[in-house]
Amino acid sequence: SAVISQKPSRDICQRGTSLTIQCQVDSQVTMMFWYRQQPGQSLTLIATANQGSEATYESGFVIDKFPISRPNLTFSTLTVSNMSPEDSSIYLCSGLKEGGEQFFGPGTRLTVL
Amino acid sequence: GESVGLHLPTLSVQEGDNSIINCAYSNSASDYFIWYKQESGKGPQFIIDIRSNMDKRQGQRVTVLLNKTVKHLSLQIAATQPGDSAVYFCAENGDYKLSFGAGTTVTVRA
Repeated sequence: SAVISQKPSRDICQRGTSLTIQCQVDSQVTMMFWYRQQPGQSLTLIATANQGSEATYESGFVIDKFPISRPNLTFSTLTVSNMSPEDSSIYLCSGLKEGGEQFFGPGTRLTVL
Repeated sequence: GESVGLHLPTLSVQEGDNSIINCAYSNSASDYFIWYKQESGKGPQFIIDIRSNMDKRQGQRVTVLLNKTVKHLSLQIAATQPGDSAVYFCAENGDYKLSFGAGTTVTVRA
């Protein structure tokens, strides 16, 4: 598998602001995903980041709140818009290579005040 | 809808003993399952996977068992070590999208 890095690793933000999280893979991957993990809980898929086209969102997640970009096969961004304290979570990026297993980045820990 | 869940939220194990972590799923059409380990402050790490055409698969110190009749899978860790302390998740892989169970926190006692 490849290695995923995320920036920032953590941040504390004020409500009403937006934060963009970057995900970089050290080699090309077929698919990239974004997950949310609320404190002490499991992971929930937010969306599939599609290269060169709009992301595919899961039920309960919308583009206006979580715009996603994927300009190439190794990079994606997730923006958390107009944040509220309920958005405080760990946001994780994952990648998948053809025939391989899905692997995860270290996560971005977001606290919204 | 489908759901994947774990039977127990915590498991305390004596170092050297074997650990068994259980997971139940509801969708009988599910055909691919993965176990992940998540250490504090890190992302989930792939441990082992199993497809529905198998009922057992072994890795290094780990074994996954799948019982399709009762929609249950388990992860067995042999000779549990302090480094095995983590949260363990089962996940159902549906067209590459992962549905995670609630997680079991494993604590290894010295």
